[in-house]
Amino acid sequence: QQQVKQSPQSLIVQKGGISIINCAYENTAFDYFPWYQQFPGKGPALLIAIRPDVSEKKEGRFTISFNKSAKQFSLHIMDSQPGDSATYFCAASFGAYSGAGSYQLTFGKGTKLSVIP
Amino acid sequence: DTEVTQTPKHLVMGMTNKKSLKCEQHMGHRAMYWYKQKAKKPPELMFVYSYEKLSINESVPSRFSPECPNSSLLNLHLHALQPEDSALYLCASSQGTGYRAETQYFGPGTRLLVL
Repeated sequence: QQQVKQSPQSLIVQKGGISIINCAYENTAFDYFPWYQQFPGKGPALLIAIRPDVSEKKEGRFTISFNKSAKQFSLHIMDSQPGDSATYFCAASFGAYSGAGSYQLTFGKGTKLSVIP
Repeated sequence: DTEVTQTPKHLVMGMTNKKSLKCEQHMGHRAMYWYKQKAKKPPELMFVYSYEKLSINESVPSRFSPECPNSSLLNLHLHALQPEDSALYLCASSQGTGYRAETQYFGPGTRLLVL
């Protein structure tokens, strides 16, 4: 129930195309869903995040779609660029007060995106 | 400013050495984290500090010893590591308010090689 399943493992998209990465979860206690972008040798950088009270969030070319009933969420990258080539991780976290003031992120296994010119 | 800094960027050490990794944030965050990341894998949580107290230890071997000297600093002391401990070590922080899941901000990591 703690797992977040991410697909595909790798993705090749033409420049200007749409990149779509999907994630699914089981635990309905998750209430925060961030996406991280990671370049080789660098730390993960927060890209965009959503809470389950909204079905979609858009920031520039990046959109999260959230389907609470299906327990799925996805990242759409519009007009994909070679500079978007990176590994993308979806994640989920609990919202209830843990008493520790901290939260554990459950990560998907990652998607390596390659955008070819 | 959402910056978490880590030093050193790269570290090579022998199995008998003692070294330390350092992490710093000035965002006023009260939760700080250590993660280990192997190639082509997601980050794995090692330790969590909340208000300078260790709140989570994910069954990490004792050759890794965390320390939180103050609310801005987090150290990871390394001793008698094994070659399989070679990885990217990431530090992260979050507000630590305790009532809602919140964003974790990651540092650039320390690339560790154990010979």
